[in-house]
Amino acid sequence: GQQLNQSPQSMFIQEGEDVSMNCTSSSIFNTWLWYKQDPGEGPVLLIALYKAGELTSNGRLTAQFGITRKDSFLNISASIPSDVGIYFCAVPGGSNYKLTFGKGTLLTVNP
Amino acid sequence: GAVVSQHPSWVICKSGTSVKIECRSLDFQATTMFWYRQFPKQSLMLMATSNEGSKATYEQGVEKDKFLINHASLTLSTLTVTSAHPEDSSFYICSARASGRAEQYFGPGTRLTVT
Repeated sequence: GQQLNQSPQSMFIQEGEDVSMNCTSSSIFNTWLWYKQDPGEGPVLLIALYKAGELTSNGRLTAQFGITRKDSFLNISASIPSDVGIYFCAVPGGSNYKLTFGKGTLLTVNP
Repeated sequence: GAVVSQHPSWVICKSGTSVKIECRSLDFQATTMFWYRQFPKQSLMLMATSNEGSKATYEQGVEKDKFLINHASLTLSTLTVTSAHPEDSSFYICSARASGRAEQYFGPGTRLTVT
């Protein structure tokens, strides 16, 4: 089946720093999704990307759909403590758009 | 927009009893709803996919007689864990997708503890 390689697995940064994470695959996709999950909560959709090369922002978050359609990047600028959580990339597939998830990036922000 | 609710947010039940979890899309019609299970420090594991008015499709290894899914309307799906055992204790999360859309919106999750 499809596999997404998400990196890094975890990050420890200082408040105010910028963060970058990415997902890669050997398969081509038409949509990339980025979610954030806080402990004990369901994932929240941050950004959805639909076109190769697309660059989309949501506040301090910016995500890009790789031009090869095999990868995507998520950047967080000027991190704050509430950015702490697990970030997942995901791609939909099949007739029901079932999601394949990356293994997640655990972000810790030191105040 | 795109809000999904789950009820209850947590439940404790005795071994052998059944528990029903509700998932509702509050501001859109959910053509497809999904049920996931998540173990600590792991990613979400898809259990089943349900389309409104149809039988759910279960992932390999998920017992359909144990995890009963009903998707009777475009805004409500239910997951019933029958004859629950301690190993069924987990975090259950639903998600919903609107017709023609790829993105899924997730509920806040239900923490099930079976004693």
